[in-house]
Amino acid sequence: AQTVTQSQPEMSVQEAETVTLSCTYDTSESDYYLFWYKQPPSRQMILVIRQEAYKQQNATENRFSVNFQKAAKSFSLKISDSQLGDAAMYFCATWIYNQGGKLIFGQGTELSVKP
Amino acid sequence: GAVVSQHPSWVICKSGTSVKIECRSLDFQATTMFWYRQFPKQSLMLMATSNEGSKATYEQGVEKDKFLINHASLTLSTLTVTSAHPEDSSFYICSASTRQSYEQYFGPGTRLTVT
Repeated sequence: AQTVTQSQPEMSVQEAETVTLSCTYDTSESDYYLFWYKQPPSRQMILVIRQEAYKQQNATENRFSVNFQKAAKSFSLKISDSQLGDAAMYFCATWIYNQGGKLIFGQGTELSVKP
Repeated sequence: GAVVSQHPSWVICKSGTSVKIECRSLDFQATTMFWYRQFPKQSLMLMATSNEGSKATYEQGVEKDKFLINHASLTLSTLTVTSAHPEDSSFYICSASTRQSYEQYFGPGTRLTVT
C-alpha cells in the first residue's frame, strides 16, 4: 500500500524566517506526482506546489520550494520569509497513476507563525 | 482556475434524518469526483470515488448504504448521509478532476452537525 508520512505534527517559525516541513512516502510505482497542500482556518484546500516524479529539478513557487529526493522517497517543503498568512495545516500528498486518480495524504503538519 | 462549489457550507440536522450535500464543478467538466471526510486536526480520509454515470467506488470501511453518492452529470455529484447520527458529524470535502488527471480541485467543504 502507498503511504505518506509527515513526522512533524506541529511546527513553529518566526515571521520572516525559513521553515522546512518534512514528508516521506512509499511507493513502488514509477509514475506519480507529489503535492503540498495548505489548509488555512477556512479549511479550503489550496495547492501550494507540485512535483512530477520524473523531473529531477526541484519545484519552486515564489517563497515555496521543495527538496525532492527520489531515491530516499523524501519530499520536504521549504517556506522562506514566512508570513503570518502562512499559518495553516500543511498536507503532503501523492497521486499515483495506477491508483485510480486517488490522492494519498499524509497526517498533516500544523504550522504556526510567530510575529 | 477551476472552481468547485459545495452546498450547503454548514448544515445541522436531527439524528435519524438524511441530509444531502452537493458538489458542483462550475467551469469545467468533472469526470471524476472524490468525497473526503475530515475530523478536526486530522487528515482527509477518502470515502469514495465517483465517475460520471457510474456507481461510486467506496473505500474500505465506508458504509455505502449510509453514504450514498450520485454522480449523474459532469458537473454535479451528491453525497447523502442517510439516517444520520451524531458520530457522522464531521467536515465533508469534495474534489473534482478530469479523467486520469493528477489535478484535483477542492470544494470549500461542508460542516455537518447531527444533534
